[in-house]
Amino acid sequence: AQSVAQPEDQVNVAEGNPLTVKCTYSVSGNPYLFWYVQYPNRGLQFLLKYITGDNLVKGSYGFEAEFNKSQTSFHLKKPSALVSDSALYFCAVRDRGYGQNFVFGPGTRLSVLP
Amino acid sequence: DGGITQSPKYLFRKEGQNVTLSCEQNLNHDAMYWYRQDPGQGLRLIYYSQIVNDFQKGDIAEGYSVSREKKESFPLTVTSAQKNPTAFYLCASSIVGGQGYGYTFGSGTRLTVV
Repeated sequence: AQSVAQPEDQVNVAEGNPLTVKCTYSVSGNPYLFWYVQYPNRGLQFLLKYITGDNLVKGSYGFEAEFNKSQTSFHLKKPSALVSDSALYFCAVRDRGYGQNFVFGPGTRLSVLP
Repeated sequence: DGGITQSPKYLFRKEGQNVTLSCEQNLNHDAMYWYRQDPGQGLRLIYYSQIVNDFQKGDIAEGYSVSREKKESFPLTVTSAQKNPTAFYLCASSIVGGQGYGYTFGSGTRLTVV
């Protein structure tokens, strides 16, 4: 069965410091990988995705993620955190087969402290 | 602008009452989804539909019903059989093909039992 793990419920980082939000997955084959962000009382917003090619993917708001096939990981990173980055972050995978649904991780709450 | 619209933003339900949450998209997406999110928690799939007049149960379908009479619309009814309906409900849409397309989310409906 497919599964996505985000091992940290909460990540705290000081403003200006680099941040990492971790994601590992267990899916057969080579899935598509996504990161979404959710601000309070809002829907999920797309940040970035890995389809193929370069393992380092750049996305919105200065975020990037690195795909590591051997470790089945897709960690989200940002070189310098902003207070406005504080939100709930979801990792998701989608199998490459036709008609496959997303599998979401449980979410990680990021708090950037001023 | 293309997008996905959920209404109302806030909804209050009395005990034993059925309520219907609206979800409309003009993205020409074939697939639509309903998720439930409890405070500080991840997403749980209620129902999904990949084609008009067809839908499938997700992980927590009990106490909910849906219809898909039009491609653009996927309303969710929370019935009196759902004993703990207070939650944030998210609708999403996507194409069905496996080209690495992500989900587009609505802004959510917060349902409260009074």
